[in-house]
Amino acid sequence: GENVEQHPSTLSVQEGDSAVIKCTYSDSASNYFPWYKQELGKRPQLIIDIRSNVGEKKDQRIAVTLNKTAKHFSLHITETQPEDSAVYFCAASISGNNRLAFGKGNQVVVIP
Amino acid sequence: ETGVTQTPRHLVMGMTNKKSLKCEQHLGHNAMYWYKQSAKKPLELMFVYNFKEQTENNSVPSRFSPECPNSSHLFLHLHTLQPEDSALYLCASSQFGGPYEQYFGPGTRLTVT
Repeated sequence: GENVEQHPSTLSVQEGDSAVIKCTYSDSASNYFPWYKQELGKRPQLIIDIRSNVGEKKDQRIAVTLNKTAKHFSLHITETQPEDSAVYFCAASISGNNRLAFGKGNQVVVIP
Repeated sequence: ETGVTQTPRHLVMGMTNKKSLKCEQHLGHNAMYWYKQSAKKPLELMFVYNFKEQTENNSVPSRFSPECPNSSHLFLHLHTLQPEDSALYLCASSQFGGPYEQYFGPGTRLTVT
């Protein structure tokens, strides 16, 4: 089955710097890769997603890049702000069924 | 954010109790999901309903019983739970089912004593 790994598990950045979280997956037929942000005590929130026919997608300060050959995709947050502090989950679609396989999450801490 | 709502937000129940979790989506979606979120573990899919029909049951114990009376409402009936069932139970919905663009509710924090 699909195996999704996230690195690093915890990331601390100074406010204003960039943060990058990498996710690897095992199923070469996966075609959909969302990123969710979950603040403490709140719901996971879909912040950006990418499909396998696209290499990069950007939405204001966040972007996602996909490398299908290497089977990894990354979340890039620029000009980080304290409100970016949260746990970020990546996921990959599982070929052959309608499920998402989630990673364990990355804790991002933005230091003011 | 009121697209997907869940009640109750917190629930404490004994192992012999019967309780139900409720989810409602106001997004006009056709698919609804139950997930379990435990500390330090990836989200676990439990059930999927597409147009009110259950399409996925991810080997969930029978002490968890889902019900989907219509595309806007989803219930999770609980009975004779175990302490290891304590977790955050999240409901999600999407337009057409499948893995795409799932939107989550705030969850029910369940504690089994």
